[in-house]
Amino acid sequence: ETGVTQTPRHLVMGMTNKKSLKCEQHLGHNAMYWYKQSAKKPLELMFVYNFKEQTENNSVPSRFSPECPNSSHLFLHLHTLQPEDSALYLCASSQEVGASETQYFGPGTRLLVL
Amino acid sequence: GQNIDQPTEMTATEGAIVQINCTYQTSGFNGLFWYQQHAGEAPTFLSYNVLDGLEEKGRFSSFLSRSKGYSYLLLKELQMKDSASYLCAVSDSNYQLIWGAGTKLIIKP
Repeated sequence: ETGVTQTPRHLVMGMTNKKSLKCEQHLGHNAMYWYKQSAKKPLELMFVYNFKEQTENNSVPSRFSPECPNSSHLFLHLHTLQPEDSALYLCASSQEVGASETQYFGPGTRLLVL
Repeated sequence: GQNIDQPTEMTATEGAIVQINCTYQTSGFNGLFWYQQHAGEAPTFLSYNVLDGLEEKGRFSSFLSRSKGYSYLLLKELQMKDSASYLCAVSDSNYQLIWGAGTKLIIKP
C-alpha cells in the first residue's frame, strides 16, 4: 500500500490522440513527480512540483504537459505522441523536495503509442 | 555527466546471500537510495545512506563509501519473493534522484 494511485493502468493511443494520465496521493505530501521508465533504462525524471509549483522540467518535449491543481493531484496531458514515447509512466510523491526525502511511487501507467 | 552503474542481472540461490553493487559519479551527493521493484509493480523504498558505513535492516543491509563513489545492497537468507529489480539512485546537488538502470535479481530454488 503506497498511498499513490494512478489511472489508467494501461493506455493505447494513436499519434494524433489527446489523453491524460492522473495521479493522486493520499499521504499528505507536498511534492509530486512524473517519471518515464523504459525497458532496461534508468528512470527519467520528467517534472517536479513542490507545493504546487513546478520546480523542474528536464527538457521534456512540449507534447507532454503537466498540471498540478493541488498538492494531492497531478496530471500529465499527452498529445501528438511518438512511438518512442511508449513506456511506463510513474508518479511519485514525497513530503517535500529534499535530500533524504523518500519518494513513494504509484503503480504506473503502461502507455503504448501506435 | 552523471552516471550510475549497476549490474544488469544477477542470479542467486534461495537461502544464500547476494551483494548488488552500485557505483556513481554525480554532480553533488545528498544520499543514496535503494528501491525494490517487482515486475509490473511500483518501486518501493528499501534504504537510504548518506554517511559512510553499513545500515542494517532485517535481511537487507546497505553500505556506502562516499570517497569511492560506491554502494552495495546485501540480501541475506534469500527468499523466492526477493526476485525483483533493485534500483540504485543518488540524490544530487539539486535533490534530484539520478537512477541506475536496475539490477534484475533471479532467485533459483
